[in-house]
Amino acid sequence: DTGVSQDPRHKITKRGQNVTFRCDPISEHNRLYWYRQTLGQGPEFLTYFQNEAQLEKSRLLSDRFSAERPKGSFSTLEIQRTEQGDSAMYLCASSEKTGYGYTFGSGTRLTVV
Amino acid sequence: AQKVTQAQTEISVVEKEDVTLDCVYETRDTTYYLFWYKQPPSGELVFLIRRNSFDEQNEISGRYSWNFQKSTSSFNFTITASQVVDSAVYFCALSEAAGNTGKLIFGQGTTLQVKP
Repeated sequence: DTGVSQDPRHKITKRGQNVTFRCDPISEHNRLYWYRQTLGQGPEFLTYFQNEAQLEKSRLLSDRFSAERPKGSFSTLEIQRTEQGDSAMYLCASSEKTGYGYTFGSGTRLTVV
Repeated sequence: AQKVTQAQTEISVVEKEDVTLDCVYETRDTTYYLFWYKQPPSGELVFLIRRNSFDEQNEISGRYSWNFQKSTSSFNFTITASQVVDSAVYFCALSEAAGNTGKLIFGQGTTLQVKP
């Protein structure tokens, strides 16, 4: 296992388009997190999955955002009708349990033009 | 409410100087975990250290050391004899045990520039 993989690394899209990102966590990790990081800020929590169940969503996750983790394996984050304010780095992390072993992916950098 | 504050936005030092990055946290939980991550220009978050709330022992790892003080809710990070390769953004983060999601709450980050 080579760690957490995210695809694509970069995405440029026009305002109003839909985009989808993928995250492949470490296979033994049942916990998966999505974060968003804007320029000059720390990562901000978006949502959390334990296996296939989405157990927490931040208020940052507007109705245009949806995340899934079918079968408790990979996860997808979709943004509908993108806005310029959605431009950010989207980071995925997985862990084995609370407080342990958080591993981050390299992120997907989204630019909305 | 949980919060992490890194008051230093940017620090610039000359190589071989020692530098301390400050981190102050707020939590109502009695069991929690503190972390430091390094984010080089490539963007990936690199894990440096984890400390749980019951372990106040300071830790040293090579040129890195961490000072955890519950009395002042601080978890400061010192780099001794800094090197150019230490240039990066450093984040302090908190995870509470209560609620069991384990999500990380990050500070705003401190950008460290080490000049040759």
